[in-house]
Amino acid sequence: GAVVSQHPSRVICKSGTSVKIECRSLDFQATTMFWYRQFPKQSLMLMATSNEGSKATYEQGVEKDKFLINHASLTLSTLTVTSAHPEDSSFYICSAPTRQGNNEQFFGPGTRLTVL
Amino acid sequence: GENVEQHPSTLSVQEGDSAVIKCTYSDSASNYFPWYKQELGKRPQLIIDIRSNVGEKKDQRIAVTLNKTAKHFSLHITETQPEDSAVYFCAASTNAGKSTFGDGTTLTVKP
Repeated sequence: GAVVSQHPSRVICKSGTSVKIECRSLDFQATTMFWYRQFPKQSLMLMATSNEGSKATYEQGVEKDKFLINHASLTLSTLTVTSAHPEDSSFYICSAPTRQGNNEQFFGPGTRLTVL
Repeated sequence: GENVEQHPSTLSVQEGDSAVIKCTYSDSASNYFPWYKQELGKRPQLIIDIRSNVGEKKDQRIAVTLNKTAKHFSLHITETQPEDSAVYFCAASTNAGKSTFGDGTTLTVKP
């Protein structure tokens, strides 16, 4: 089946630094990917839709200048958390549709971000 | 936008009993309704899904029902086992692909 990977799986950084998280579709092409954030004991909240070759679409309340998304190729989307603060500590998960126009998703394994 | 409500937030059953989790959605354009099982620190795992042109779907001990008119869908797990203990999420999505998740149900199956 389709595989989505994320890197790194865990990252610890200091306040004020930036962190880049990569999401890759390993055996299929994804023109669209989705980025979610999950705080402890809470649900997955969609942050943005990453579109290959164009700007990402952000959900209401998500700062586009703080969470930079780049969909550089058909198999890679990156999320950069800029000027990270402790409240940005969370579990970040990406997903990609199994095929274009299909709403079934494959999820990456997630990235645990801890900001000190 | 879409709003998905999920109940109950916690559910405790004895091994062998059935568990039912219910969700409602608001956007009539939603046409795909997956259920996910998530263990601590791991990605959501799809356990069953249903599309809006189907009323019921079953896969061994797991079944999902959908009532489009009432905009609600339910997950049924029969003959529960301790390994079924996890957090379960429902979700609703449109053809655009992005999903709105319910708040989750923590299921505990007591041996």
